Amino acid sequence: GAVVSQHPSRVICKSGTSVKIECRSLDFQATTMFWYRQFPKQSLMLMATSNEGSKATYEQGVEKDKFLINHASLTLSTLTVTSAHPEDSSFYICSASDGGKLDGYTFGSGTRLTVV
Amino acid sequence: RKEVEQDPGPFNVPEGATVAFNCTYSNSASQSFFWYRQDCRKEPKLLMSVYSSGNEDGRFTAQLNRASQYISLLIRDSKLSDSATYLCVVRTSGSARQLTFGSGTQLTVLP
Repeated sequence: GAVVSQHPSRVICKSGTSVKIECRSLDFQATTMFWYRQFPKQSLMLMATSNEGSKATYEQGVEKDKFLINHASLTLSTLTVTSAHPEDSSFYICSASDGGKLDGYTFGSGTRLTVV
Repeated sequence: RKEVEQDPGPFNVPEGATVAFNCTYSNSASQSFFWYRQDCRKEPKLLMSVYSSGNEDGRFTAQLNRASQYISLLIRDSKLSDSATYLCVVRTSGSARQLTFGSGTQLTVLP
């Protein structure tokens, strides 16, 4: 089945630094990648949608200059949390779509970010 | 009003019990419906899609009522391994094709 590999699975960084999270689709072409954030005991909240080769579309309230998304190829999308603060500590998950061929979406295994 | 609403639970049931989860959605343009399962600190995993005619997969039965904008999941003969959070998920047609998640219903199956 379709697999999305997400790295790192866990990262601890200092306040003010930047962290890059990668998601790779291993056996299909991810035309669209969705990035979600999940705080404890809450559901997944969509942050942004990215299509290969174009700028990401951010949800209301998500700062595009803080959460940089790059989707330069059909198999790789990255999310960079810039100038991280403790309130950015969360579970970040990517999800990939191949444009409709798959039923449902394939999720990465998530990245637990802790900013200290 | 949230786009997808679920009873957060928690539901604590004994092994072998039957448990039902409900979900309502507000966007009548929603086209596809799913139940996902999420274990603690893990990514969501697709449990089953939900079709208008209702569908069953082993001990799991999903129902959809488009008129009432209501989705349900029934788990029969619950197992300890069914303990997880169950997410009701809706996809609206259009260019975005993005998923909207309910806040999840937590289930604990007790020995």
